[in-house]
Amino acid sequence: RKEVEQDPGPFNVPEGATVAFNCTYSNSASQSFFWYRQDCRKEPKLLMSVYSSGNEDGRFTAQLNRASQYISLLIRDSKLSDSATYLCVVILPPGYSTLTFGKGTMLLVSP
Amino acid sequence: GAVVSQHPSRVICKSGTSVKIECRSLDFQATTMFWYRQFPKQSLMLMATSNEGSKATYEQGVEKDKFLINHASLTLSTLTVTSAHPEDSSFYICSARAGGETYEQYFGPGTRLTVT
Repeated sequence: RKEVEQDPGPFNVPEGATVAFNCTYSNSASQSFFWYRQDCRKEPKLLMSVYSSGNEDGRFTAQLNRASQYISLLIRDSKLSDSATYLCVVILPPGYSTLTFGKGTMLLVSP
Repeated sequence: GAVVSQHPSRVICKSGTSVKIECRSLDFQATTMFWYRQFPKQSLMLMATSNEGSKATYEQGVEKDKFLINHASLTLSTLTVTSAHPEDSSFYICSARAGGETYEQYFGPGTRLTVT
């Protein structure tokens, strides 16, 4: 089983739609969780951290379910500029160094 | 946020030659730098972790003699792909961490290597 698994995508949605991405991780001792965004042929950029209590940043909401080892990202009111690949990232114990990336889910927002 | 640069951004080389990629932290001192590789439609895979002044730690399956990493200063790490082959063609991305108990890594813009 892969350490971090994501919906394969791509997700094609119209502007204004709400879209949800799912991610599961295999190591129950995983410590920290993030969503990164990667544009085509570019480096990944941190979108938001994911906290146990769930957190929101504007149109973006991230949630974590430790019992199910599941992370989600919800994007409301999609914009054309949201088109990108969204990467689920987990830090495996023991340290702060090792980011483990999911394969990513591509989002295409159309007019 | 912190800035990390990579050079070159794109390189095409012939099979059998060596290619050096530089990764620089421009406005902070990076005690740890990481090198990732990403094949098309695949996730970023960590190749190695390097700490300034010490030998790099390579991930399983990554040949240390083929991918030479040098982290001679707190702002510069280099990755040399030796005797490159077409299967080494990939997107190589470095990241840097300032140190201490922080998870945050700052990514460079990546280097696209094509071996013909």
